[in-house]
Amino acid sequence: QSALTQPRSVSGSPGQSVTISCTGTSSDVGGYNYVSWYQQHPGKAPKLIIYGVSKRPSGVPDRFSGSKSGNTASLTLSGLQAEDEADYYCCSYAGTYTLGVFGGGTKLTVL
Amino acid sequence: EVQLVQSGAEVKKPGESLKISCKGSGYSFTNYWIAWVRQMPGKGLEWMGIIYPAHSDARYSPSFQGQVTISADKSINTAYLQWSSLKASDSAMYYCARDVPGDYWGQGTLVTVSS
Repeated sequence: QSALTQPRSVSGSPGQSVTISCTGTSSDVGGYNYVSWYQQHPGKAPKLIIYGVSKRPSGVPDRFSGSKSGNTASLTLSGLQAEDEADYYCCSYAGTYTLGVFGGGTKLTVL
Repeated sequence: EVQLVQSGAEVKKPGESLKISCKGSGYSFTNYWIAWVRQMPGKGLEWMGIIYPAHSDARYSPSFQGQVTISADKSINTAYLQWSSLKASDSAMYYCARDVPGDYWGQGTLVTVSS
C-alpha cells in the first residue's frame, strides 16, 4: 500500500477540468509544503509538473495547478487536452530520514 | 541543455552483480544531487537514494539501505547504481533524476533478472 492515497483513475472530456487528490497525514502532506506532482506517459520517464505544492517548472502550462488543504494535496488540470492522458503521481517530503513518499498514481483518461 | 543519459537495458541472472550509470551534461554536475527511482512493472515510483557528486555523499531510503550502492565519479559526470547480488524482485525500470523532486530525468534503464 502506498503512503499517499490517490484515486486509481479519473476522466474528463476535452476542455473540461479535472482534479486529482492526494491524501496523506500530518507527517507528510500536512506537515510540509513540499508536495510535487509528476506526469508519466506510457513508456516514458516521469516529468515534474508541480513542486512546492503549487509552483510550476519552466515550460509547464498554467493549465496545471496545485494546491493543498490540510493533509490533502490536489492537482487540477483545466482545459483538458488529449495529450494530458497519462499517469499522475504525487509525492511529499516526509521528514529527515526519507526522501519522500509517493502516491500510488492516478490514470487520467481524456474521453 | 540539461540531459541525463542512462546506460542501456540489462538482462541478468539471480546472484549476478550489476552497475548501471547516469551521465549528466549541460549543467554543473557537482552542484546538484542525483536521485535514483525504482518503478516495478505496472507499479508506482519509489525514491531509492541520492548522492551529491561533489562529495560522494550518498543517502538511502530505508527500504533500499543495504540493498544497493549509489556512487558517483565527478570526473566524468556520472552517477551509478549497483547491486552485488541481484534477485528476481530487482526486475524493474530504474530512473535517475536531478535533485529531489527531480527537475530533469534520465530515460530509464530496464533491468530484468531471470534464471
